[in-house]
Amino acid sequence: GAGVSQSPSNKVTEKGKDVELRCDPISGHTALYWYRQRLGQGLEFLIYFQGNSAPDKSGLPSDRFSAERTGESVSTLTIQRTQQEDSAVYLCASSPVMVGEQFFGPGTRLTVL
Amino acid sequence: RKEVEQDPGPFNVPEGATVAFNCTYSNSASQSFFWYRQDCRKEPKLLMSVYSSGNEDGRFTAQLNRASQYISLLIRDSKLSDSATYLCVVTPHTGTASKLTFGTGTRLQVTL
Repeated sequence: GAGVSQSPSNKVTEKGKDVELRCDPISGHTALYWYRQRLGQGLEFLIYFQGNSAPDKSGLPSDRFSAERTGESVSTLTIQRTQQEDSAVYLCASSPVMVGEQFFGPGTRLTVL
Repeated sequence: RKEVEQDPGPFNVPEGATVAFNCTYSNSASQSFFWYRQDCRKEPKLLMSVYSSGNEDGRFTAQLNRASQYISLLIRDSKLSDSATYLCVVTPHTGTASKLTFGTGTRLQVTL
């Protein structure tokens, strides 16, 4: 079946612009996660949605970052007034409610000039 | 101290060698443990879960030492295709979807 998809695959933007990154999780997966991975670094947790519960936003690095999820489907990560240090690969993952494994999308590579 | 610590490597080993990676975690409440594999410029994928009694999947063996708070991954008879970064992952929850904490990974390069 279809895996997690993300769009765009690459995004180049100018400093100060806003960007929106999209994630389509695997159908039926109630949990959805966003991570950031800077070049040569590990995965950094950003935010986690689980069903209708309030999202865990503890990893968002600043108030320029926000994310929304429509029901148990698509999620959008928005970065306002982008900075050069926002350049990274943004990875989305989803998982079924009772299983620990997370299934990752291919990521969006964001470059802020 | 990082929640999950790994030796970044790289570990350069010849084909056929046995190689082992360790990972330490700081949260004693951690309940579930995993090894993920990440190929260059690709997304992470689950390699194997780590069970308290240890578990084996073909050439791969994972072990957990709760007392010392570390996890290990052993790869026997290394193949060129094993070249990747191996990520140690822990979570305080068991059996439910929850936030995973990733180590920064250990890079393995298998050579001819």
